[in-house]
Amino acid sequence: DTGVSQDPRHKITKRGQNVTFRCDPISEHNRLYWYRQTLGQGPEFLTYFQNEAQLEKSRLLSDRFSAERPKGSFSTLEIQRTEQGDSAMYLCASSLAGGREQFFGPGTRLTVL
Amino acid sequence: QQQVKQSPQSLIVQKGGISIINCAYENTAFDYFPWYQQFPGKGPALLIAIRPDVSEKKEGRFTISFNKSAKQFSLHIMDSQPGDSATYFCAASIKTDKLIFGTGTRLQVFP
Repeated sequence: DTGVSQDPRHKITKRGQNVTFRCDPISEHNRLYWYRQTLGQGPEFLTYFQNEAQLEKSRLLSDRFSAERPKGSFSTLEIQRTEQGDSAMYLCASSLAGGREQFFGPGTRLTVL
Repeated sequence: QQQVKQSPQSLIVQKGGISIINCAYENTAFDYFPWYQQFPGKGPALLIAIRPDVSEKKEGRFTISFNKSAKQFSLHIMDSQPGDSATYFCAASIKTDKLIFGTGTRLQVFP
């Protein structure tokens, strides 16, 4: 399968714990996006990378959130000191630089108890 | 100005009917308008997209109509099928930037 993959698919954690999610984009795609989707809402942009450079971060991305893409391939999104309000689906998408089509992965469902 | 407004919130259509979902935007800098389909527990899947220099685009049973002067665009699903039951999102972007999504329309197609 050459689509976008995300791991884990589901994560349940207790408030205050740190969690890390991984995204593997489509292999030739150099742009990678993170979005967050809460129940009944559309995805909201968090941040994106072109190769290993993080080019934009949303105001939604508080100091507790950090994203990396160290070698320009896979990316990780870490949430420190999780809060119940962090419960959401975290989606990753990738595209070719200069391309308009973004392809989404299956998402990681985070539940903070 | 960055918002994309979508309606209706939910839609019930009989099999074989036409489903119509509408979106409106304010930012005239938007230059790419995709529609995504999402099934429960899955990521959004790109369905069809249009650029503002075209008034209509058709792919199979799916058609986007685009009205640049009104800053509105819509998705038409012809001959709707139960398998089309899903949540549909419109979106917009500027250049190759992030997508701004609408709030979604939950479509239910009954046999």
